[in-house]
Amino acid sequence: EVQLVESGGGLVQPGGSLRLSCAASGFSFSDYSMNWVRQAPGKGLEWVSYISSHSVSRFYIDSVKGRFTISRDNANNSVFLQMNSLRAEDTAVYYCAKGLGATMTTSDYWGQGTLVTVSS
Amino acid sequence: EIVLTQSPATLSLSPGERATLSCRASQSINSHLAWYQQNPGQPPRLLIYDASNRATGIPARFSGSGSGTDFTLTISSLEPEDFAVYYCQQRSNWPPTFGPGTKVDIK
Repeated sequence: EVQLVESGGGLVQPGGSLRLSCAASGFSFSDYSMNWVRQAPGKGLEWVSYISSHSVSRFYIDSVKGRFTISRDNANNSVFLQMNSLRAEDTAVYYCAKGLGATMTTSDYWGQGTLVTVSS
Repeated sequence: EIVLTQSPATLSLSPGERATLSCRASQSINSHLAWYQQNPGQPPRLLIYDASNRATGIPARFSGSGSGTDFTLTISSLEPEDFAVYYCQQRSNWPPTFGPGTKVDIK
């Protein structure tokens, strides 16, 4: 059974940092791309970042470029999102999602999400 | 950035009825469109990928069609668990984008 478990969310002041982690199991992790998608309270979905199966390609939405960094550890089946210089508009539930293939942003399995709240 | 528009915003139907949801892209995305279902407090669930392919474990009452700029998700006969919000997502151009969603609620 595929499982994705996010952790690392919480309350942080504007300008602060958080590191989200996602532990994956139940599939051959190194064969698939991984994505982070967020959802602000009461709002729709917004794709945030993508990393290909062997970290060759990494992409971000414009609003987080230079502030967020995606990485993965294929030996330990984990993907991370380092978030710096956080802003109020980054407040959201952050989902870790498995790509359908090695280089796909379409995601067939999602974690339960971790809430990030940026507030003073 | 490709903008996806979904209609209607809300669809009020009864169990057993047919639901037809639309997603329109601001430019051609070939068949690079997915549909997701989301219930309150839950993560999204992939229903359809590449416009017409059902994801693993998705019932046959869900079907997708379309290419280019116009896409449709059809639920042939609504079950109680189908009342939810549905999002389309394109993967044709960077960045991937989602539509604003269609809420299917009970009439």
